[in-house]
Amino acid sequence: ETGVTQSPTHLIKTRGQQVTLRCSSQSGHNTVSWYQQALGQGPQFIFQYYREEENGRGNFPPRFSGLQFPNYSSELNVNALELDDSALYLCASSPGMTEGGNTIYFGEGSWLTVV
Amino acid sequence: RKEVEQDPGPFNVPEGATVAFNCTYSNSASQSFFWYRQDCRKEPKLLMSVYSSGNEDGRFTAQLNRASQYISLLIRDSKLSDSATYLCVPMGGANNLFFGTGTRLTVIP
Repeated sequence: ETGVTQSPTHLIKTRGQQVTLRCSSQSGHNTVSWYQQALGQGPQFIFQYYREEENGRGNFPPRFSGLQFPNYSSELNVNALELDDSALYLCASSPGMTEGGNTIYFGEGSWLTVV
Repeated sequence: RKEVEQDPGPFNVPEGATVAFNCTYSNSASQSFFWYRQDCRKEPKLLMSVYSSGNEDGRFTAQLNRASQYISLLIRDSKLSDSATYLCVPMGGANNLFFGTGTRLTVIP
């Protein structure tokens, strides 16, 4: 187990609705990144939070937003859901921005289906 | 141009075979490189880091060619349990991982 937990594990939403996904990072990790993995694709970087501040963003529209809390847990919010938002959403935590990549741990992901 | 290009496969090989995966990356500033393994409907898991000098971990050997921006993974003596998707992953600044689409491997009894 990586110590990174995500919830919910599966959910179904209707187009136009909003969704919030949650991630608890591994103890001692202050950096959380979110990735979207569509079927048949590799994970795509959405954004990263470091000590409650957004610290880098991929090519995703503003309706994808996030938050990191003082305990370093994080939320991903997606507004105005579209069918193409259906994907596995992965959270990854690491102990810092400059630590080696071999200290990045993924949660098991949240499967989102938009109908 | 995509950040990472990989042959999606699938590669279907018999048990005991040797199989090689390659990928190219576009960001010459990438400093760290990894191979991840992802089982069906699971999260990616780190398989190994990739160093310029090449590195080996049991049956797995990874190579990096910075000049050609090319990364490879060699799996010897394939096992059924090696069946998975293998993702080539350069790391950008601030621990952002750039994943390729992955190469699917099926090892056949």
